[in-house]
Amino acid sequence: GNSVTQMEGPVTLSEEAFLTINCTYTATGYPSLFWYVQYPGEGLQLLLKATKADDKGSNKGFEATYRKETTSFHLEKGSVQVSDSAVYFCALSDQQGGSEKLVFGKGTKLTVNP
Amino acid sequence: ETGVTQTPRHLVMGMTNKKSLKCEQHLGHNAMYWYKQSAKKPLELMFVYSLEERVENNSVPSRFSPECPNSSHLFLHLHTLQPEDSALYLCASSQEGGTGNTIYFGEGSWLTVV
Repeated sequence: GNSVTQMEGPVTLSEEAFLTINCTYTATGYPSLFWYVQYPGEGLQLLLKATKADDKGSNKGFEATYRKETTSFHLEKGSVQVSDSAVYFCALSDQQGGSEKLVFGKGTKLTVNP
Repeated sequence: ETGVTQTPRHLVMGMTNKKSLKCEQHLGHNAMYWYKQSAKKPLELMFVYSLEERVENNSVPSRFSPECPNSSHLFLHLHTLQPEDSALYLCASSQEGGTGNTIYFGEGSWLTVV
């Protein structure tokens, strides 16, 4: 079945450091890919998405490019802030029978220190 | 007003209790979901409702009983739960049709079974 593998955390960075969180996927067909973020005590929020190969999703300084050849969707940000501390989830859409379902990675906890 | 609201935010219940979680979406979507988030496990899809009809039930124990009376409301009825059912339960909604549709999450209901 479809699956998502993302790098184990936790990740701890200093403010203004460069961030990469790796995500690879296994899927039949051509799923859409997502990054969701969960701030402490809150639900999941969509951070960015890409629906086809070579698409780049971006939001709030974060970027990820849909790489079909490497089946990857790595999340990057050039300069992280303390407010970026959260858990980040990579996900792919698994559309079966007309219903859209998300398959999630295990999540990567990011802590940014001042 | 957030797009997907869940109540209660926190619930503590005994193993013999019966309680319900409620979810309401204000986005005009036609699909709703229950996910379970527990420590050290990936997010697990429990149920999917599309046009108020249940289309997915991922081998969830019968002590969890969903109800979708209309496209805006979703309930999760709980009875005779076990301590291992303690988790964050997330409701979500989306608009079906097309591909790569974004799924929007509520803030979750923290459930503790004692």
